[in-house]
Amino acid sequence: DIQMTQSPSSLSASVGDRVTITCRASQSISSYLNWYQQKPGKAPKLLIYAASSLQSGVPSRFSGSGSGTDFTLTISSLQPEDFATYYCQQSYSTPQSFGQGTKLEIK
Amino acid sequence: QVQLVQSGAEVKKPGASVKVSCKASGYTFTSYGISWVRQAPGQGLEWMGWISAYNGNTNYAQKLQGRVTMTTDTSTSTAYMELRSLRSDDTAVYYCARDDRYTYEDWGQGTLVTVSS
Repeated sequence: DIQMTQSPSSLSASVGDRVTITCRASQSISSYLNWYQQKPGKAPKLLIYAASSLQSGVPSRFSGSGSGTDFTLTISSLQPEDFATYYCQQSYSTPQSFGQGTKLEIK
Repeated sequence: QVQLVQSGAEVKKPGASVKVSCKASGYTFTSYGISWVRQAPGQGLEWMGWISAYNGNTNYAQKLQGRVTMTTDTSTSTAYMELRSLRSDDTAVYYCARDDRYTYEDWGQGTLVTVSS
């Protein structure tokens, strides 16, 4: 099974900051990597698919990059509504697996 | 627009079974699979398994093999997830998601299942 490891587990930042979250796969997953945002009490929301493709309706301040085993999610200028938990997920092989999550908090 | 509407919260005793439904609308039900993902309180996301709405093929997480069954009813565009022999660590919010090659663009609202004696 493929293990997904995110870092950091939590992050404090301010509105307007540039933030980067990393995700590492235990083996190569090509570009089969998705990013989700989850707010308390809500279902996850797809932000980025195939490592770098922006889901329709998602603000352009979100971007993704990487391939193989190392990936990043970048938020170029944090907005108040971006404070949430972010998960990466590999869609390369079953069982699909998620990272443990990165909680983004207001500094 | 795509909607996945799940059944309501459940409280079950250890050893019991629960069946959660997920009614889909806004797309051709048989063109996509449905995956089920659960989230224990304060924890991350755990993939439980997948079912093809086209032919009913399934793929379950190994840790749940023998306790979980996923089915679909194409006449009502509804997917079901049944979990048996419930334990306290099955307490979680259960989500269904429209599965497009293991990418989840649309999710249900979640169903809280509480297992408690």
